[in-house]
Amino acid sequence: RKEVEQDPGPFNVPEGATVAFNCTYSNSASQSFFWYRQDCRKEPKLLMSVYSSGNEDGRFTAQLNRASQYISLLIRDSKLSDSATYLCVVPGDNFNKFYFGSGTKLNVKP
Amino acid sequence: NAGVTQTPKFRILKIGQSMTLQCTQDMNHNYMYWYRQDPGMGLKLIYYSVGAGITDKGEVPNGYNVSRSTTEDFPLRLELAAPSQTSVYFCASSYYSLNEQFFGPGTRLTVL
Repeated sequence: RKEVEQDPGPFNVPEGATVAFNCTYSNSASQSFFWYRQDCRKEPKLLMSVYSSGNEDGRFTAQLNRASQYISLLIRDSKLSDSATYLCVVPGDNFNKFYFGSGTKLNVKP
Repeated sequence: NAGVTQTPKFRILKIGQSMTLQCTQDMNHNYMYWYRQDPGMGLKLIYYSVGAGITDKGEVPNGYNVSRSTTEDFPLRLELAAPSQTSVYFCASSYYSLNEQFFGPGTRLTVL
C-alpha cells in the first residue's frame, strides 16, 4: 500500500457547490497531516494543518478519521479562485520525511 | 524577506552533464528539503537536512547529492544527468519538522 493516496479527479463543480476530497494513508502512527494547494506551474502552499480530529478555516474544513486512516478536505461555496490541485501530505515514521499524494485537481466553473 | 529562492528557473542538460541547483532561505529555518515533481504526480523527497552539517536521504536519492554547510543554503548536485531526471525540482524549508513548509518557485530541468 502506498504511503498516501488521493483521487486524482478532476472534480468539475459549479460556483457555489460543496466538494469533498479524500486522502488515505498507510502509517497508523501518523499524528499530523497537511493539505497544500498548488496552482498550475507554481509551488505548493500550505492550506491547512490537521493535528487532531480536524480543523476549520472559513469555507475549508479538514477532518481526520483515524480508524479508517483517511483525511478529508471539504470546500463549501466554491469560488472560481479555488481551482487548483490539492495535495495531501503525511509525515513518515521519523517525522522528518514527508509523503505527498499525487494531488486532486479541482475545476470550479462559472 | 525573500523566503526560499532557487536558481536557475529553467535548464536544459545533455545526458551525462552535471549541474548544481541552488537553494537559499532567509527565514533561519532549521529544516530544508529537496523534492522532485514529475508531470501529474505528487512531490517525492530526494534529500533533507535538519540543520547545518546534517543531511539524509529521502525516497528517491539515487543520482543526486547534497550538502548543507550553512543554515541558509542547501544545494542539490546532479551528477551524470539522465533523461529520467527530467522534472521540476522544488526546494522547501521549515522551522522544524512538523511546521509548514515554504517552497521556492522551482527549477524546471530537462535532460536530453
